[in-house]
Amino acid sequence: QSALTQPASVSGSPGQSITISCTGTSSDVGSYNLVSWYQQHPGKAPKVMIYEVSKRPSGISSRFSGSKSGNTASLTISGLQAEDEADYYCCSYAGTTPYVFGTGTKVTVL
Amino acid sequence: QVQLQESGPGLVKPSQTLSLICTVSGGSISSGSYYWSWIRQHPGKGLEWIGYIYYSGSTYYNPSLKSRVSISVDKSKKQFSLKLSSVTAADTAVYYCARWGLDCSGGVCDGFDIWGQGTMVTVSS
Repeated sequence: QSALTQPASVSGSPGQSITISCTGTSSDVGSYNLVSWYQQHPGKAPKVMIYEVSKRPSGISSRFSGSKSGNTASLTISGLQAEDEADYYCCSYAGTTPYVFGTGTKVTVL
Repeated sequence: QVQLQESGPGLVKPSQTLSLICTVSGGSISSGSYYWSWIRQHPGKGLEWIGYIYYSGSTYYNPSLKSRVSISVDKSKKQFSLKLSSVTAADTAVYYCARWGLDCSGGVCDGFDIWGQGTMVTVSS
């Protein structure tokens, strides 16, 4: 099972919106509404930001939203803030593997 | 509040077995609402799921590591353990334990909602 494909980096200015894509296949992202997203600051453990494609855990800002179309899931961060600068990883249930992560995206706030 | 804490040697020699323990505090490991997983992150790289164990002892491993991995649970100590045999430098990574929620009524489900802080393991002679 190959890693899901994410852009290596995405950047935006404070207040702007950015979108991170996560492309898989019909065996993972395309087959299950079980995509989650994680934020990881340097030297820290990942933190779940979105689960089941578009649900936010308690305490996660509404500036974070998720969606999916076909084999591609997306994480949108609106009203970008300096504290959002981090690495972001998607994860999908993949049946036999059964969890596969994305390659990771570094978000830079300009 | 549930917390996870990894522990174990930070240095392992090549060909030996890497052994780590994850201790669960603030909650039960015997709940049927979670899978307890090990995940690793190579230096400067992405995340790789290693495997999980259910409180009953049933396990599931990443096929790419299956021949070398074993995960066990000790409910009395509220711990689950990882053993990775025949390690090489390619197994050098930060190892995390994490919880996957199965019961949506309890909060986050179908996602890794709680993670340990991670422990760096270096494979070197």
